[in-house]
Amino acid sequence: RKEVEQDPGPFNVPEGATVAFNCTYSNSASQSFFWYRQDCRKEPKLLMSVYSSGNEDGRFTAQLNRASQYISLLIRDSKLSDSATYLCVVNGGTNAGKSTFGDGTTLTVKP
Amino acid sequence: ETGVTQSPTHLIKTRGQQVTLRCSSQSGHNTVSWYQQALGQGPQFIFQYYREEENGRGNFPPRFSGLQFPNYSSELNVNALELDDSALYLCASSLEPLDVQYFGPGTRLTVT
Repeated sequence: RKEVEQDPGPFNVPEGATVAFNCTYSNSASQSFFWYRQDCRKEPKLLMSVYSSGNEDGRFTAQLNRASQYISLLIRDSKLSDSATYLCVVNGGTNAGKSTFGDGTTLTVKP
Repeated sequence: ETGVTQSPTHLIKTRGQQVTLRCSSQSGHNTVSWYQQALGQGPQFIFQYYREEENGRGNFPPRFSGLQFPNYSSELNVNALELDDSALYLCASSLEPLDVQYFGPGTRLTVT
């Protein structure tokens, strides 16, 4: 079993749709959590940090559930420009400086 | 732009050779992490350096080694290259080990 698992995707949605991604992690000692976005053949770019209290940035909402060991990302009113691969990242735990990425979920928003 | 730079951009090596990749961190960042990303997969953590010391390592063999310099720039060295080492190598810098990471554009390594 992978340490961080994401919905396999791909997700193909029309413009304006709401889409949700989930990511589960196995190390209960993990300490920080993030969502990144990666466009084709480019480096990952930070989308947002994830907190237990929730974090909202415009159309994007991220949530951490420590008890169930998952993080989520909700995108409302999808735009064509949201088409990308979304990666969740889990940091820390027993291997102090370790960052573990999921394999990503590909989102395609269609007109 | 993140301010994180990597060199070279592309590299072609032959199996068995050695390679050194370089990364300059964002100003003020003392932590650098290195990743290997194969096509269709997420970045795989190789190791992290914090204030010139290794601060965590992923499941990579010892032929993957690194270094961080006093100015917090970093090198990734890979010895005895194998075909499976062909990938995008990313470095990321952060203020502290568990903080947000900012990625460089990567080095695309091809081993033939």
